[in-house]
Amino acid sequence: DAGITQSPRYKITETGRQVTLMCHQTWSHSYMFWYRQDLGHGLRLIYYSAAADITDKGEVPDGYVVSRSKTENFPLTLESATRSQTSVYFCASSAQGQSSQYFGPGTRLTVT
Amino acid sequence: AQSVAQPEDQVNVAEGNPLTVKCTYSVSGNPYLFWYVQYPNRGLQFLLKYITGDNLVKGSYGFEAEFNKSQTSFHLKKPSALVSDSALYFCAVRDIRGRAAGNKLTFGGGTRVLVKP
Repeated sequence: DAGITQSPRYKITETGRQVTLMCHQTWSHSYMFWYRQDLGHGLRLIYYSAAADITDKGEVPDGYVVSRSKTENFPLTLESATRSQTSVYFCASSAQGQSSQYFGPGTRLTVT
Repeated sequence: AQSVAQPEDQVNVAEGNPLTVKCTYSVSGNPYLFWYVQYPNRGLQFLLKYITGDNLVKGSYGFEAEFNKSQTSFHLKKPSALVSDSALYFCAVRDIRGRAAGNKLTFGGGTRVLVKP
């Protein structure tokens, strides 16, 4: 089914563990984005990518790593998870020359 | 720096009454403005956008928004609210910084809309 998907949808991990959140889109959109959503903060941009092998920091990149070896995938890795990274994470994509972003269903991450 | 403000955390309205969700923005150049809606446990869905042209923009589900340059506002409106419109609404402005500058969005904090029967 076409669109943008995220996995897992729910994840519980322990402090200090590495965890990777996956994002896959079938539209061949050039741009991809990772946001976190927290009460009182709305959506904040973590990292974004303009194309394969091109990534850049957003507003809150500390503690996160991204890669984009293929256009359709944009994984987000928490190298050593902390409780402050408990959040809902959204991936989004956007086509070149198109201003609207399309969002995945989100991953709810709990760090204990 | 570009920013978006949604001054109301929550808006309560009776079904059938008009609904307005407020948004003001700050950008250095011409703004591209967006409204998204988020239903419980779902991702954000695009509602409408203003790029240029007519100040009144019509979008999905009967929503519209009015761009007001002098007041730097982009309020979301619906003439007659439905209970099913209860959701979290986000205003966003297009950011022009960085390599992916053309497509980066800065979001407001969100406004929860509760439509009562």
